[in-house]
Amino acid sequence: GDSVTQMEGPVTLSEEAFLTINCTYTATGYPSLFWYVQYPGEGLQLLLKATKADDKGSNKGFEATYRKETTSFHLEKGSVQVSDSAVYFCALSVPGAGSYQLTFGKGTKLSVIP
Amino acid sequence: ETGVTQTPRHLVMGMTNKKSLKCEQHLGHNAMYWYKQSAKKPLELMFVYSLEERVENNSVPSRFSPECPNSSHLFLHLHTLQPEDSALYLCASSHKLRSYNEQFFGPGTRLTVL
Repeated sequence: GDSVTQMEGPVTLSEEAFLTINCTYTATGYPSLFWYVQYPGEGLQLLLKATKADDKGSNKGFEATYRKETTSFHLEKGSVQVSDSAVYFCALSVPGAGSYQLTFGKGTKLSVIP
Repeated sequence: ETGVTQTPRHLVMGMTNKKSLKCEQHLGHNAMYWYKQSAKKPLELMFVYSLEERVENNSVPSRFSPECPNSSHLFLHLHTLQPEDSALYLCASSHKLRSYNEQFFGPGTRLTVL
């Protein structure tokens, strides 16, 4: 079946540090890939997405590139801020029957300290 | 504010109680979802509704009973729950059932079953 594996947290960084959160996937079809973010006490929000190979999703200084050859969609940010502290979820969905199903990773908690 | 609201935000209930969770979306979407978020586990899709018809029931125990009276409202009726049902219950909506469509999440209801 489809699955998403992302690095276990928690991750603690100092402000302005470089962030990478690894995400790899297995899928039966050609998936769309997503990063969602969950701030404390809130629901999930879409951070960025990519729907085909070599697409780069970007938003709020975060980037991720759809790498079909390595089945990866790693999240990066050049300089994190305290306000980026949240839980980050990598997810995929596959076209076809049940295409609305999002398969999520377990989430990576990021804490940014001043 | 994502346009998806959930009430109540917190709920404590005994194993013999009956309660309901409510979700409302103000986005004009056609599809709505219930997810369960437990600690250390990926988000679990419970139910999916499209145009008020249930299209997915992911082997959820019958003590959870969804209801979608119209495309803007979704309920989750709870009865005779178990302590292991304690979790964050998230509602989401999307424009249509498509793999590339963003799902918009509510803030969740934190449920504790005593």
